[in-house]
Amino acid sequence: GAVVSQHPSWVICKSGTSVKIECRSLDFQATTMFWYRQFPKQSLMLMATSNEGSKATYEQGVEKDKFLINHASLTLSTLTVTSAHPEDSSFYICSARNPSRADTQYFGPGTRLTVL
Amino acid sequence: GEDVEQSLFLSVREGDSSVINCTYTDSSSTYLYWYKQEPGAGLQLLTYIFSNMDMKQDQRLTVLLNKKDKHLSLRIADTQTGDSAIYFCAVLTSGTYKYIFGTGTRLKVLA
Repeated sequence: GAVVSQHPSWVICKSGTSVKIECRSLDFQATTMFWYRQFPKQSLMLMATSNEGSKATYEQGVEKDKFLINHASLTLSTLTVTSAHPEDSSFYICSARNPSRADTQYFGPGTRLTVL
Repeated sequence: GEDVEQSLFLSVREGDSSVINCTYTDSSSTYLYWYKQEPGAGLQLLTYIFSNMDMKQDQRLTVLLNKKDKHLSLRIADTQTGDSAIYFCAVLTSGTYKYIFGTGTRLKVLA
């Protein structure tokens, strides 16, 4: 299957700092990527849709100024958690949409963020 | 909006078949997917089915779609301990590229 990478796989930071997570589509060009958040033992919650060359579309209740998304190329989207707080601690997963294969989303391995 | 539901837990013995069920509400959904998630990892695509199909088989996996009842199932034949994971169904919402995920079914395979 298609490969999507995320970096870092885990990060620990202090409250008030910003953290950047990268999502790369390694073997196909992705005009659309997605960012999800997953709480323990729960399903995935879509945060935003990242569109190459344009602004991200955020889901209701997700603060766009707190979760900055940049999709500058067809293979890279970044999520920056600004002024992180302990309640932002979570598992963040990205996916890349492959329109040539039934709009299938291929998921990265996830990033575990812990804010102290 | 779209709602996708799954049972939370399933426990089977090694070698038996597992059947994981999913119900959804949006009858105009075009594609339906099954993903597997192991602890601390991302989601691995297992298979998908187009809404005009009733069944799709891929090695040990069989997907059945009852569009009238809006019911999707995933059957795993000869279940192995390595199949223990959380299984998510996902439905492509009509008119968008977004998925709606089910709640996930935790499959435990007993040796």
